[in-house]
Amino acid sequence: EVQLVESGGGLVKPGSSLKLSCVASGFTFSSYGMHWIRQAPKKGLEWIALIYYDSSNKYYADSVKGRFTISRDNSKNTLYLEMNSLRSEDTAMYYCAKSSPYYVMDAWGQGASVTVSS
Amino acid sequence: IQLTQSPSLLSASVGDRVTLSCKGSQNINNYLAWYQQKLGEAPKLLIYNTNSLQTGIPSRFSGSGSGTDYTLTISSLQPEDVATYFCYQYNNGLTFGSGTKLEIK
Repeated sequence: EVQLVESGGGLVKPGSSLKLSCVASGFTFSSYGMHWIRQAPKKGLEWIALIYYDSSNKYYADSVKGRFTISRDNSKNTLYLEMNSLRSEDTAMYYCAKSSPYYVMDAWGQGASVTVSS
Repeated sequence: IQLTQSPSLLSASVGDRVTLSCKGSQNINNYLAWYQQKLGEAPKLLIYNTNSLQTGIPSRFSGSGSGTDYTLTISSLQPEDVATYFCYQYNNGLTFGSGTKLEIK
Protein backbone atom coordinates (compact mmCIF):
# COMPACT_ATOMS: atom_id res chain seq x y z
CA GLU A 1 0.00 0.00 0.00
CA VAL A 2 1.33 3.41 -0.98
CA GLN A 3 1.89 5.68 2.01
CA LEU A 4 3.04 9.29 2.02
CA VAL A 5 3.61 11.04 5.34
CA GLU A 6 4.33 14.77 5.45
CA SER A 7 5.96 16.57 8.35
CA GLY A 8 7.59 19.88 9.20
CA GLY A 9 4.59 22.18 9.12
CA GLY A 10 3.93 24.85 11.71
CA LEU A 11 3.33 28.49 12.56
CA VAL A 12 5.97 30.89 11.24
CA LYS A 13 6.35 34.63 10.82
CA PRO A 14 6.30 36.40 7.43
CA GLY A 15 9.72 36.38 5.81
CA SER A 16 10.86 33.23 7.54
CA SER A 17 11.71 29.78 6.18
CA LEU A 18 10.38 26.28 6.65
CA LYS A 19 11.24 22.87 5.21
CA LEU A 20 8.63 20.17 4.69
CA SER A 21 9.42 16.48 4.35
CA CYS A 22 7.40 13.64 2.84
CA VAL A 23 8.43 10.06 3.57
CA ALA A 24 7.23 7.52 1.04
CA SER A 25 6.65 3.77 1.36
CA GLY A 26 4.84 0.99 -0.46
CA PHE A 27 6.29 1.74 -3.89
CA THR A 28 9.67 2.20 -5.58
CA PHE A 29 10.14 5.87 -4.72
CA SER A 30 13.16 6.30 -7.01
CA SER A 31 11.06 5.40 -10.08
CA TYR A 32 8.38 8.10 -9.80
CA GLY A 33 8.08 11.83 -10.07
CA MET A 34 6.62 13.63 -7.08
CA HIS A 35 4.47 16.71 -6.62
CA TRP A 36 3.70 19.27 -3.94
CA ILE A 37 0.18 20.71 -3.96
CA ARG A 38 -1.31 23.16 -1.49
CA GLN A 39 -4.78 24.15 -0.39
CA ALA A 40 -5.45 27.44 1.38
CA PRO A 41 -8.18 27.35 4.05
CA LYS A 42 -11.62 26.83 2.50
CA LYS A 43 -10.07 27.16 -0.98
CA GLY A 44 -9.25 24.96 -3.93
CA LEU A 45 -6.14 23.03 -4.87
CA GLU A 46 -3.01 24.67 -6.26
CA TRP A 47 -0.18 22.65 -7.82
CA ILE A 48 3.13 24.19 -6.76
CA ALA A 49 6.04 21.92 -7.70
CA LEU A 50 7.08 18.76 -9.54
CA ILE A 51 10.36 16.84 -9.47
CA TYR A 52 11.29 14.01 -11.81
CA TYR A 53 12.23 10.58 -10.45
CA ASP A 54 15.95 11.32 -10.84
CA SER A 55 15.82 15.05 -9.94
CA SER A 56 16.79 15.87 -13.54
CA ASN A 57 13.90 18.28 -13.94
CA LYS A 58 12.03 20.51 -11.51
CA TYR A 59 9.04 22.71 -12.24
CA TYR A 60 7.33 25.37 -10.16
CA ALA A 61 4.17 27.42 -10.17
CA ASP A 62 4.78 31.12 -10.75
CA SER A 63 3.42 31.87 -7.27
CA VAL A 64 6.38 30.11 -5.60
CA LYS A 65 9.15 30.28 -8.22
CA GLY A 66 12.35 31.66 -6.75
CA ARG A 67 11.15 31.19 -3.15
CA PHE A 68 10.44 27.45 -2.90
CA THR A 69 12.75 24.55 -3.80
CA ILE A 70 11.67 20.96 -4.34
CA SER A 71 14.22 18.20 -3.82
CA ARG A 72 14.41 14.51 -3.02
CA ASP A 73 16.72 11.92 -1.49
CA ASN A 74 16.01 8.58 -3.13
CA SER A 75 18.25 6.78 -0.61
CA LYS A 76 15.89 7.93 2.14
CA ASN A 77 12.60 7.68 0.15
CA THR A 78 12.02 11.30 1.08
CA LEU A 79 10.71 14.34 -0.77
CA TYR A 80 11.35 17.87 0.46
CA LEU A 81 9.96 21.35 -0.01
CA GLU A 82 12.14 24.20 1.20
CA MET A 83 10.11 27.38 1.57
CA ASN A 84 11.79 30.77 1.93
CA SER A 85 10.50 34.34 2.20
CA LEU A 86 7.15 33.04 3.39
CA ARG A 87 4.10 35.26 3.01
CA SER A 88 0.66 35.21 4.59
CA GLU A 89 -0.75 33.94 1.29
CA ASP A 90 1.41 30.82 1.65
CA THR A 91 -0.80 29.72 4.55
CA ALA A 92 -2.22 26.37 3.48
CA MET A 93 -2.28 22.63 3.87
CA TYR A 94 0.62 21.23 1.89
CA TYR A 95 0.25 17.80 0.30
CA CYS A 96 2.87 15.64 -1.32
CA ALA A 97 1.67 13.30 -4.04
CA LYS A 98 3.06 10.50 -6.20
CA SER A 99 3.01 11.20 -9.92
CA SER A 100 1.84 8.86 -12.63
CA PRO A 101 3.63 9.01 -15.99
CA TYR A 102 0.96 11.50 -17.12
CA TYR A 103 1.70 13.92 -14.24
CA VAL A 104 -1.51 12.83 -12.55
CA MET A 105 -1.30 12.66 -8.76
CA ASP A 106 -2.36 9.09 -8.02
CA ALA A 107 -1.62 8.95 -4.28
CA TRP A 108 -1.60 11.74 -1.69
CA GLY A 109 -0.31 12.22 1.81
CA GLN A 110 -2.49 13.48 4.63
CA GLY A 111 -0.98 16.97 4.45
CA ALA A 112 1.15 19.30 6.57
CA SER A 113 -0.33 22.57 7.80
CA VAL A 114 1.66 25.77 7.33
CA THR A 115 0.48 29.05 8.86
CA VAL A 116 2.32 32.28 8.11
CA SER A 117 1.31 35.00 10.54
CA SER A 118 2.89 37.67 12.68
CA ILE B 1 -5.11 26.67 -19.09
CA GLN B 2 -7.86 27.82 -16.72
CA LEU B 3 -10.59 25.39 -15.68
CA THR B 4 -14.13 26.45 -14.83
CA GLN B 5 -16.30 23.99 -12.92
CA SER B 6 -20.07 24.16 -12.71
CA PRO B 7 -22.13 24.24 -10.71
CA SER B 8 -20.14 25.32 -7.66
CA LEU B 9 -22.76 23.67 -5.43
CA LEU B 10 -24.97 20.76 -6.35
CA SER B 11 -27.69 19.22 -4.21
CA ALA B 12 -29.16 15.89 -5.30
CA SER B 13 -31.02 12.92 -3.89
CA VAL B 14 -29.69 9.44 -3.21
CA GLY B 15 -30.05 7.40 -6.36
CA ASP B 16 -29.97 10.41 -8.70
CA ARG B 17 -27.78 10.55 -11.77
CA VAL B 18 -25.42 13.48 -11.20
CA THR B 19 -23.37 15.36 -13.78
CA LEU B 20 -20.51 17.74 -12.98
CA SER B 21 -18.97 19.97 -15.61
CA CYS B 22 -15.42 21.20 -16.23
CA LYS B 23 -14.58 23.60 -19.04
CA GLY B 24 -11.12 24.58 -20.12
CA SER B 25 -9.99 27.93 -21.52
CA GLN B 26 -8.15 25.99 -24.26
CA ASN B 27 -8.18 22.50 -25.75
CA ILE B 28 -7.19 19.98 -23.05
CA ASN B 29 -6.65 17.07 -25.48
CA ASN B 30 -8.28 14.63 -23.04
CA TYR B 31 -5.53 15.17 -20.44
CA LEU B 32 -8.10 15.64 -17.72
CA ALA B 33 -8.55 13.96 -14.35
CA TRP B 34 -11.13 14.13 -11.57
CA TYR B 35 -10.49 14.10 -7.82
CA GLN B 36 -12.83 13.60 -4.89
CA GLN B 37 -12.08 15.34 -1.60
CA LYS B 38 -14.14 14.50 1.46
CA LEU B 39 -14.19 16.90 4.40
CA GLY B 40 -10.91 16.82 6.30
CA GLU B 41 -9.27 14.35 3.92
CA ALA B 42 -6.73 14.46 1.11
CA PRO B 43 -8.01 14.32 -2.46
CA LYS B 44 -8.47 10.93 -4.10
CA LEU B 45 -8.00 10.23 -7.80
CA LEU B 46 -11.19 8.99 -9.47
CA ILE B 47 -10.67 9.33 -13.23
CA TYR B 48 -7.67 10.10 -15.44
CA ASN B 49 -7.22 10.63 -19.19
CA THR B 50 -10.86 11.78 -19.35
CA ASN B 51 -12.48 8.36 -18.90
CA SER B 52 -10.06 5.87 -17.30
CA LEU B 53 -11.32 4.69 -13.91
CA GLN B 54 -8.64 4.55 -11.22
CA THR B 55 -8.21 1.15 -9.56
CA GLY B 56 -10.63 0.62 -6.69
CA ILE B 57 -13.06 3.36 -7.69
CA PRO B 58 -16.72 2.24 -7.97
CA SER B 59 -18.07 1.87 -11.49
CA ARG B 60 -20.86 4.37 -10.81
CA PHE B 61 -18.23 7.05 -11.50
CA SER B 62 -17.48 7.76 -15.15
CA GLY B 63 -15.88 10.53 -17.17
CA SER B 64 -16.36 11.84 -20.68
CA GLY B 65 -15.58 14.79 -22.87
CA SER B 66 -13.27 16.20 -25.46
CA GLY B 67 -11.72 19.47 -26.54
CA THR B 68 -12.54 22.01 -23.86
CA ASP B 69 -15.61 20.37 -22.26
CA TYR B 70 -15.51 17.47 -19.80
CA THR B 71 -17.99 15.76 -17.50
CA LEU B 72 -17.91 13.58 -14.41
CA THR B 73 -21.04 11.46 -13.99
CA ILE B 74 -22.19 9.56 -10.93
CA SER B 75 -24.80 7.12 -12.19
CA SER B 76 -26.56 6.58 -8.85
CA LEU B 77 -25.63 8.97 -6.05
CA GLN B 78 -24.71 7.35 -2.73
CA PRO B 79 -24.47 9.03 0.69
CA GLU B 80 -20.71 8.41 0.76
CA ASP B 81 -20.31 10.49 -2.42
CA VAL B 82 -20.80 13.73 -0.46
CA ALA B 83 -17.58 15.60 -1.22
CA THR B 84 -16.01 18.35 -3.28
CA TYR B 85 -14.95 17.29 -6.76
CA PHE B 86 -12.04 18.92 -8.60
CA CYS B 87 -11.06 18.57 -12.22
CA TYR B 88 -7.36 18.79 -13.13
CA GLN B 89 -5.69 19.30 -16.51
CA TYR B 90 -2.17 18.26 -17.43
CA ASN B 91 -2.11 19.13 -21.12
CA ASN B 92 -0.53 22.56 -20.77
CA GLY B 93 0.82 23.29 -17.33
CA LEU B 94 -0.84 21.70 -14.31
CA THR B 95 -4.03 23.33 -13.05
CA PHE B 96 -7.07 22.47 -10.97
CA GLY B 97 -10.61 23.69 -11.29
CA SER B 98 -12.24 25.52 -8.39
CA GLY B 99 -14.40 22.57 -7.40
CA THR B 100 -18.02 21.46 -7.20
CA LYS B 101 -19.41 20.75 -3.75
CA LEU B 102 -21.88 17.87 -3.87
CA GLU B 103 -24.51 17.55 -1.16
CA ILE B 104 -27.36 15.17 -0.49
CA LYS B 105 -30.81 16.79 -0.72
